[in-house]
Amino acid sequence: GQQLNQSPQSMFIQEGEDVSMNCTSSSIFNTWLWYKQDPGEGPVLLIALYKAGELTSNGRLTAQFGITRKDSFLNISASIPSDVGIYFCAGQGSGAGSYQLTFGKGTKLSVIP
Amino acid sequence: ETGVTQTPRHLVMGMTNKKSLKCEQHLGHNAMYWYKQSAKKPLELMFVYNFKEQTENNSVPSRFSPECPNSSHLFLHLHTLQPEDSALYLCASSQETTARGRLSSGNTIYFGEGSWLTVV
Repeated sequence: GQQLNQSPQSMFIQEGEDVSMNCTSSSIFNTWLWYKQDPGEGPVLLIALYKAGELTSNGRLTAQFGITRKDSFLNISASIPSDVGIYFCAGQGSGAGSYQLTFGKGTKLSVIP
Repeated sequence: ETGVTQTPRHLVMGMTNKKSLKCEQHLGHNAMYWYKQSAKKPLELMFVYNFKEQTENNSVPSRFSPECPNSSHLFLHLHTLQPEDSALYLCASSQETTARGRLSSGNTIYFGEGSWLTVV
């Protein structure tokens, strides 16, 4: 099946710093979704991307659908303590057998006040 | 509040017990999903229902039995589970899916808060 490589696995940053994380795939995706999961809660959708090259913002968050359709990144600007959590990317492919969403393993973000 | 409600939030059960997880979505969606989240593993899709019909069973053991009586409700019946089945079980919904659970363009999946299951 398809696999997503999400990096980094974890990050420790100072409050106020910018954050960048990304996901890469060996195959082409038609959809990229970014979620955040707080401890003990379900993932909450942050940004959805449906077109190669698409750049979308949601407050301090910005995500882009890579031109090659094999990658996506998520940036968080001016991090704050409530940004702490696990961020997941998810992608959906285009070929036969790739109908389901594939999830990355997550990036655990810690923000030091 | 994502519009997808799961109960119970926490469940501890013995290996011989029978219990059920419940999910309800208030978003007017037609597709519902069960995912399993274990420590240090990516989210694993278990089942997909589209307009109450099961369209995907991802090789899930028969000790997990889903039920979808209508587009707003989804159950996961649990029977003779194993300790390794302990995990966070997430319900999700979306507008609808095309064949085999594919999201149509512009569509996305919304998750519930999850049910923490511990099998002892």
